[in-house]
Amino acid sequence: GIQVEQSPPDLILQEGANSTLRCNFSDSVNNLQWFHQNPWGQLINLFYIPSGTKQNGRLSATTVATERYSLLYISSSQTTDSGVYFCAVEQRSNYQLIWGAGTKLIIKP
Amino acid sequence: EADIYQTPRYLVIGTGKKITLECSQTMGHDKMYWYQQDPGMELHLIHYSYGVNSTEKGDLSSESTVSRIRTEHFPLTLESARPSHTSQYLCASSEPTQPRETQYFGPGTRLLVL
Repeated sequence: GIQVEQSPPDLILQEGANSTLRCNFSDSVNNLQWFHQNPWGQLINLFYIPSGTKQNGRLSATTVATERYSLLYISSSQTTDSGVYFCAVEQRSNYQLIWGAGTKLIIKP
Repeated sequence: EADIYQTPRYLVIGTGKKITLECSQTMGHDKMYWYQQDPGMELHLIHYSYGVNSTEKGDLSSESTVSRIRTEHFPLTLESARPSHTSQYLCASSEPTQPRETQYFGPGTRLLVL
């Protein structure tokens, strides 16, 4: 099956800093999504981005499907951005989501 | 905002007990999913459903069972809980849209089996 790798596994930043999270996947996919899981466990969909670039406030994402990677950018980080960021790709064979191991982000005040 | 609910939020139970984790959604979504997630780790799909009377096993082998008698309700049952079942269980639902579907997640049930 598809392998999804996220980097870095952990990231600690000061409030106001910018960050880039990466997601690599091993095969062609139907789509790719980025999720944020807050410290209380709630998962929220951030982007549905099979290709191209999207922006939502301080967050933006770019997927280069031909090179099998996606990047999530967080600008001017706030403490509320802390949590785990997951990348999930939809397999072409059975349409199921395969999840990466996540990037744990800690924003210090 | 997604309207998907899970109960209980936390459960501590002894080995051998039968438990049912509830999941309900008020969005009328056909597709529903159960994931298992150990703390800080990736999600693993254990069951999914495309609609009423449809249930399928996911990638991760699980001793749990599910049922889908009503569109809005997708309970997960463990007939005999074991310490290895200790984990967080996340329920999700989705409806195909343009572009493709987005999954909405419930708050999760944290299960501890003693």
